[in-house]
Amino acid sequence: DTAVSQTPKYLVTQMGNDKSIKCEQNLGHDTMYWYKQDSKKFLKIMFSYNNKELIINETVPNRFSPKSPDKAHLNLHINSLELGDSAVYFCASSSGTVTREQFFGPGTRLTVL
Amino acid sequence: DQQVKQNSPSLSVQEGRISILNCDYTNSMFDYFLWYKKYPAEGPTFLISISSIKDKNEDGRFTVFLNKSAKHLSLHIVPSQPGDSAVYFCAARAMEYGNKLVFGAGTILRVKS
Repeated sequence: DTAVSQTPKYLVTQMGNDKSIKCEQNLGHDTMYWYKQDSKKFLKIMFSYNNKELIINETVPNRFSPKSPDKAHLNLHINSLELGDSAVYFCASSSGTVTREQFFGPGTRLTVL
Repeated sequence: DQQVKQNSPSLSVQEGRISILNCDYTNSMFDYFLWYKKYPAEGPTFLISISSIKDKNEDGRFTVFLNKSAKHLSLHIVPSQPGDSAVYFCAARAMEYGNKLVFGAGTILRVKS
């Protein structure tokens, strides 16, 4: 009965590889987000989708491409991975685009070697 | 440029006493503030929130106070319990920026029994 789930939980890969992180929510929400928690522990928003439409796109390298096949899924694909991409990535969801509370997934720890 | 600051990286409190976690912000456009709690290897979970039109919101042992003139908010936990030991993130939202949450760096709370 997990509300927001992410796979994989851990991801270790080499520089230059391409990888994807999947996110699914079963809360019936129509808005989903990707956040990055860097080494300084700040959670920073990367993208937000509402009804499969991109609504927030922060200053993120083009190597990061979100894909939302439907309202319940928001996947993150990363091309040509770099050392600086190592972080914990959190998916979140909410009901509507001006709601307050966001529900977070457990996070995916990405380590680029 | 950190718009939301949690200047205390950690706080240690005795069980049964009050825990006070502080948060300062710089952007006067913020109209909604939230506190999230995070355990290791889990995603943040919503704790309590407050609108900028209020100065206090209470939910059980948790109370959030907002001082708009000082651009300061605080989370009070009374009485503190060992299970409250976690990282607490302050977050803020501005309607003009959509539903993007801006997070502080977090404060580690340790409640000693």
